[in-house]
Amino acid sequence: KQEVTQIPAALSVPEGENLVLNCSFTDSAIYNLQWFRQDPGKGLTSLLLIQSSQREQTSGRLNASLDKSSGRSTLYIAASQPGDSATYLCAVIDAGKSTFGDGTTLTVKP
Amino acid sequence: GAGVSQSPRYKVAKRGQDVALRCDPISGHVSLFWYQQALGQGPEFLTYFQNEAQLDKSGLPSDRFFAERPEGSVSTLKIQRTQQEDSAVYLCASRRGEGSIGNQPQHFGDGTRLSIL
Repeated sequence: KQEVTQIPAALSVPEGENLVLNCSFTDSAIYNLQWFRQDPGKGLTSLLLIQSSQREQTSGRLNASLDKSSGRSTLYIAASQPGDSATYLCAVIDAGKSTFGDGTTLTVKP
Repeated sequence: GAGVSQSPRYKVAKRGQDVALRCDPISGHVSLFWYQQALGQGPEFLTYFQNEAQLDKSGLPSDRFFAERPEGSVSTLKIQRTQQEDSAVYLCASRRGEGSIGNQPQHFGDGTRLSIL
């Protein structure tokens, strides 16, 4: 059974800092991995999707990497802003289902 | 709107009542997923549809949970004889292609927050 772990569970940083969120998974037989953002009381917003054949994806200040062999992905956020405050979730995707971690709650202080 | 729409946004029911939660996926999306999210945790997979076919229901916690998508668009998640442990946010997601296609993201609705008293 696939298990996904996200570390740390919570992170607080001053505005402008670069930061890394970690995601690890136990079964490397995945189709792709997707990073999401969730604001309180809201659904999930897709940030980046990395296919199993890819090693990284970039969008603006976000960069996500994938190392299937070690079962790890990282989400790098550059020059953090207060508006980045949210819970970040990673999901590993098999044929029809996704397995999520419990997320990292990020607070960026002005 | 162009996104996934879920209704109601909030539902309060007494223990033992039946509830029905609705999901309108993005038009034309083939795949539809239901998840259950407890407070402070990530979503847990419940079930997956490809068009009207329910291809995976392995995540449904008990036979009190039933999902359907009769015409391959709108889906309904029904919970019979609700119990307090059913209290959670129920999220629906859709994807344009089939579940096995690796290059397409899931799009989520804002969820239905279910509280069982």
